Amino acid sequence: AQSVTQLGSHVSVSEGALVLLRCNYSSSVPPYLFWYVQYPNQGLQLLLKYTSAATLVKGINGFEAEFKKSETSFHLTKPSAHMSDAAEYFCAVSEPSGTYKYIFGTGTRLKVLA
Amino acid sequence: DTAVSQTPKYLVTQMGNDKSIKCEQNLGHDTMYWYKQDSKKFLKIMFSYNNKELIINETVPNRFSPKSPDKAHLNLHINSLELGDSAVYFCASSQSGAGELFFGEGSRLTVL
Repeated sequence: AQSVTQLGSHVSVSEGALVLLRCNYSSSVPPYLFWYVQYPNQGLQLLLKYTSAATLVKGINGFEAEFKKSETSFHLTKPSAHMSDAAEYFCAVSEPSGTYKYIFGTGTRLKVLA
Repeated sequence: DTAVSQTPKYLVTQMGNDKSIKCEQNLGHDTMYWYKQDSKKFLKIMFSYNNKELIINETVPNRFSPKSPDKAHLNLHINSLELGDSAVYFCASSQSGAGELFFGEGSRLTVL
């Protein structure tokens, strides 16, 4: 069965510092992986996705993530945090064969300090 | 034009009442979902429909009944509301159960 683990329910960084949000997955087949962002009182918006092409994936707002099969990880990074990055971030996994089930991690609340 | 739209955005009601949430997508997708987000932001899938056919029904009480009149619409009816039903309900869609999910803005249900 698929599962997703996000280490750290809360992460605080200073403005301009590196952002690193961790995601590890468990899947019986090579999965599709996603990062979503949720701003207060809004729906989830896709940041980036891995669908078995390039292992380094670039997304919107300067975020990127690297798929590491050996570590079963898909960590999200951004070189320089901005105040507007403060939000809830979710990692998700699905099976490429289209099982119609997307499993979400428990989320990481990112706080950016001035 | 909103890709996935849900109505209403807010519902406040008393225990024991019945309520419905409607969802429509204009992306041409064939699969739609209902997710429940609790107060700790945990997202749990409830139902999924592909071309109007129910394909995922997680361990959701029978008081929750989804209905998909066509592949662009997925509604959720909840009978006999309980305090524990208070949450944000998100509708989402995708193409063929793969690729990315597109989410609506959510419907916040508060049961008093």
